[in-house]
Amino acid sequence: QQQVKQSPQSLIVQKGGISIINCAYENTAFDYFPWYQQFPGKGPALLIAIRPDVSEKKEGRFTISFNKSAKQFSLHIMDSQPGDSATYFCAGSGNTGKLIFGQGTTLQVKP
Amino acid sequence: DAGVTQSPTHLIKTRGQHVTLRCSPISGHKSVSWYQQVLGQGPQFIFQYYEKEERGRGNFPDRFSARQFPNYSSELNVNALLLGDSALYLCASSFLGVGTEAFFGQGTRLTVV
Repeated sequence: QQQVKQSPQSLIVQKGGISIINCAYENTAFDYFPWYQQFPGKGPALLIAIRPDVSEKKEGRFTISFNKSAKQFSLHIMDSQPGDSATYFCAGSGNTGKLIFGQGTTLQVKP
Repeated sequence: DAGVTQSPTHLIKTRGQHVTLRCSPISGHKSVSWYQQVLGQGPQFIFQYYEKEERGRGNFPDRFSARQFPNYSSELNVNALLLGDSALYLCASSFLGVGTEAFFGQGTRLTVV
């Protein structure tokens, strides 16, 4: 009941295209859903986060869509750039503050 | 304003040895959490501390221990190192630990040989 399942495992997108990464969670007690971006050899960097009381949140080229009834959420990267090439992790957290991470998606944006 | 700092950045240890990893949270943050990230996987929760008290523990053996100091910095200790302990160890800092954003340091890359 603690798992967060993330797909796809890897993604290749052309420059200017839309990158979409999906996550599904099981624990209905989760009330905070962040996305992290990680470059090789670095720690994860907080990208954007959402709470279940909203269905969408947008920050620049990054948008989270949230479907509470389906227990799914997704990250959309608009106008993808080569500099966006990284590994992306979704996560869920409840009243313990413990983050449960997905398995990660390696994104490659081709110029 | 300084982010989360971890030391050392890289470490090589021999099986059976002990290791201590250190973390300084963002100024004003009272909670520190530790995660283990094996290559190709997402981070796995090890410990959370808030106001110097342990608030949560993940599914790790008793060889793993941690503490938080009055200045909110933290140490992660691992005894009797195994080859499987080789990983990136991440420290995350947050203001309250629950319901607030968590910011990660650059990690400590531990290699056990």
